[in-house]
Amino acid sequence: QQQVKQSPQSLIVQKGGISIINCAYENTAFDYFPWYQQFPGKGPALLIAIRPDVSEKKEGRFTISFNKSAKQFSLHIMDSQPGDSATYFCAPRRTALIFGKGTTLSVSS
Amino acid sequence: EAGVAQSPRYKIIEKRQSVAFWCNPISGHATLYWYQQILGQGPKLLIQFQNNGVVDDSQLPKDRFSAERLKGVDSTLKIQPAKLEDSAVYLCASSLILAGYTGELFFGEGSRLTVL
Repeated sequence: QQQVKQSPQSLIVQKGGISIINCAYENTAFDYFPWYQQFPGKGPALLIAIRPDVSEKKEGRFTISFNKSAKQFSLHIMDSQPGDSATYFCAPRRTALIFGKGTTLSVSS
Repeated sequence: EAGVAQSPRYKIIEKRQSVAFWCNPISGHATLYWYQQILGQGPKLLIQFQNNGVVDDSQLPKDRFSAERLKGVDSTLKIQPAKLEDSAVYLCASSLILAGYTGELFFGEGSRLTVL
């Protein structure tokens, strides 16, 4: 898990604001870069993912930005909503997902 | 489509006792994973199966943990004897394919273990 460093550890955003979570990795063998979302008492669920040959991917309010040379990728949540309050994990994959430590997002209304 | 099923949802045991967790993956998913999630941390891979063969068990504490996947479907994770530091949520996940750019993991709700 030291292969993946996620920041910040926690984040508080006003409703309608932008949430940004960053992930830095070490292993250049990773071939798939997803973000997972986890609600209390539930297992993680895929939110959005990107391939290393693409620099950005957008799905609705969620965007991944990928910087291969810097070995970093980030999650942007536009127009953040209270329902987005959850823990977010970057989890790059070689043969299995390697999870970061997570970012707890709280969106205040 | 039914999701990944896990049982029991909660288990409380004394240290040095044994415990077993069961997982039934999504039908047709060849790959099955067990992850350990300690409170406040990200899930940590314990073991990965492809059908009924082990792909990666490098982080499984083999002196106390064991896992099997008979007939390439259901899986059981056992801890014997349990230690206090084994208190965690044990997550089972499954996926359709092993390699490539896709291969979303579908997680169960987990089995929460408390060791006293």
